[in-house]
Amino acid sequence: DTEVTQTPKHLVMGMTNKKSLKCEQHMGHRAMYWYKQKAKKPPELMFVYSYEKLSINESVPSRFSPECPNSSLLNLHLHALQPEDSALYLCASSPRLGAGELFFGEGSRLTVL
Amino acid sequence: GQSLEQPSEVTAVEGAIVQINCTYQTSGFYGLSWYQQHDGGAPTFLSYNALDGLEETGRFSSFLSRSDSYGYLLLQELQMKDSASYFCAVGSGNTGKLIFGQGTTLQVKP
Repeated sequence: DTEVTQTPKHLVMGMTNKKSLKCEQHMGHRAMYWYKQKAKKPPELMFVYSYEKLSINESVPSRFSPECPNSSLLNLHLHALQPEDSALYLCASSPRLGAGELFFGEGSRLTVL
Repeated sequence: GQSLEQPSEVTAVEGAIVQINCTYQTSGFYGLSWYQQHDGGAPTFLSYNALDGLEETGRFSSFLSRSDSYGYLLLQELQMKDSASYFCAVGSGNTGKLIFGQGTTLQVKP
């Protein structure tokens, strides 16, 4: 199994809603990542987890809250988002921190109304 | 900080060879990666260079010169399906940060 699975694929939410994005991998990878990507732009790093502990937070607003319940799962909790947060949210994993090869999921396309 | 530069657009014809360059500035450099992304899809890993030299994987090759802070992705025998965005990405230190360049849009014409 070489897949990173993200759900939901599409999400529409209002600014007062609370929702969560989910990511799962069964490759035994110990590093997991959240990236945000706007149209025609590169992926922008948000959070990095290593061995289920938060390793990097790229000064992301607190309305985004990551969680790593176990080595296979990564969540991104969303609350009080703004329309400018509308983007493709990509989850990725790698065997370890510092590996050059990231395996990306298909992403969750988020629209904030 | 980190910065990467790559051309914004490249156009080539089917069957041709194209080279996408990437120059970078980063502290604690540990490798240069290349990713392909089709419209509406997710980035897909293509290659990784941690040491100087050429890495070949089928029609794609990647080169790194650490002394010049420079690398390139070489695509041979171009096919229409190679039309996509190509990102170089650098990792620095042991932080796990993999930072992407702005991307190069490759258009392959018949």
